[in-house]
Amino acid sequence: GESVGLHLPTLSVQEGDNSIINCAYSNSASDYFIWYKQESGKGPQFIIDIRSNMDKRQGQRVTVLLNKTVKHLSLQIAATQPGDSAVYFCAEWFPGGGNKLTFGTGTQLKVEL
Amino acid sequence: EPEVTQTPSHQVTQMGQEVILRCVPISNHLYFYWYRQILGQKVEFLVSFYNNEISEKSEIFDDQFSVERPDGSNFTLKIRSTKLEDSAMYFCASSVSSGSPGEQFFGPGTRLTVL
Repeated sequence: GESVGLHLPTLSVQEGDNSIINCAYSNSASDYFIWYKQESGKGPQFIIDIRSNMDKRQGQRVTVLLNKTVKHLSLQIAATQPGDSAVYFCAEWFPGGGNKLTFGTGTQLKVEL
Repeated sequence: EPEVTQTPSHQVTQMGQEVILRCVPISNHLYFYWYRQILGQKVEFLVSFYNNEISEKSEIFDDQFSVERPDGSNFTLKIRSTKLEDSAMYFCASSVSSGSPGEQFFGPGTRLTVL
């Protein structure tokens, strides 16, 4: 399982660079994965999702990659902007789980000007 | 754009007191959830609710917690006797269906502080 602590992993990038945020998940039965963005003082906001029968999905400036062999998920943000600064969480969902989402620890993304 | 709303934004209470956190889910949504987030930690599932009954609950959701949909619009979380460790952000979420979990929309949260 993932460790939980008071200090989030932090990724600092320059404005305009690409960002890659990684996540390890634990449940091999998980069928659906979602990336959420959480800005300070706000609730999680849906970014992009991917089903377990896919290995890549693209959105606007974001791409999610799924590697089921090693149970790894990544979020790529192209041309990172100051407004992208937030905490990013991956979440997993599996059938029969009462529709609950299981969230990862989160990564703090800081965009430097 | 429809959104989930929560009140109050911040609740301060004494240990042992009862609190009720309120949520108004998106109007055509059928599934409702409560999550909590202790400061600096990950978001944790508490309970899911559908058709006026609990469909799943976590180990955190013990006998001190209860949920209710008292009318057609509100969804509440009650903590009967608060403990210091209940201090956290509590998020309400809702979704149209259970087939697409990515469609869970979260509210802005209620910060609960137990003194």
